[in-house]
Amino acid sequence: DSGVTQTPKHLITATGQRVTLRCSPRSGDLSVYWYQQSLDQGLQFLIQYYNGEERAKGNILERFSAQQFPDLHSELNLSSLELGDSALYFCASSGGGSTYNEQFFGPGTRLTVL
Amino acid sequence: GENVEQHPSTLSVQEGDSAVIKCTYSDSASNYFPWYKQELGKRPQLIIDIRSNVGEKKDQRIAVTLNKTAKHFSLHITETQPEDSAVYFCAALRGYGQNFVFGPGTRLSVLP
Repeated sequence: DSGVTQTPKHLITATGQRVTLRCSPRSGDLSVYWYQQSLDQGLQFLIQYYNGEERAKGNILERFSAQQFPDLHSELNLSSLELGDSALYFCASSGGGSTYNEQFFGPGTRLTVL
Repeated sequence: GENVEQHPSTLSVQEGDSAVIKCTYSDSASNYFPWYKQELGKRPQLIIDIRSNVGEKKDQRIAVTLNKTAKHFSLHITETQPEDSAVYFCAALRGYGQNFVFGPGTRLSVLP
C-alpha cells in the first residue's frame, strides 16, 4: 500500500458524459501527478500539481482538466467522453515540488466508456 | 519534444539468467531516468533511477547504466527470479517542471 488513495476503483459511463476522478496523496506529499494507461499501453503523463498550482503539463486533452485543493487532494475531470478515453487512470504523489522525487502511485481508477 | 524508445517489447529468460532492457531518448537536455516495474493488475513502482551526472547505479540485483553521449540507458537484472516477471517502463525527464515521457514498456517473463 503506497498511501495514495483513488476513488472510484471502477467507473462505467457512456460517450458524451463527464466524470470526476479523485486522488488523495500520501500524508505530507505536496505534489500530485495524473497518468493515463490505455489497455496494454504505456503510461502517459497528463499533469502535475504542486501545493495547489499546476507545475507541469503533459499530453492532456483540452476535454480534460484537473485541480488540486487546499487539503491537497486532487480531481481529474474528463468531459465529452469518447470510447478512446477508456483506460486506467493513475494518480501519484511525491514529497516535494521537484519531479526528481520518487513518485508513489495509487491503485488507479479503471474508466470504461461505452 | 522528448521521445523514448524501449527494446525489447517482450523478453523471456530462464530463472537465474540476466535480463537487459534498453531505452533511448531523443532530448539531450533530459537528465533524470527512472525505471518502474508494474506487475499484472497492480500499480507501477519505482525500482531504480539515475541522474545524468552518474554513469551507473546499482541496487542489489538491479543496475542501471547511462550513456549520455549515445543517449541511451539500460536496466540490468541479474540472477532473475519468477517474481521479476512484470512489465518494466523506462522514463526520461527533461528538467524541473517538465514533462515525464515513458517508454512503451517491456514485458519480462522469467521461466522457472
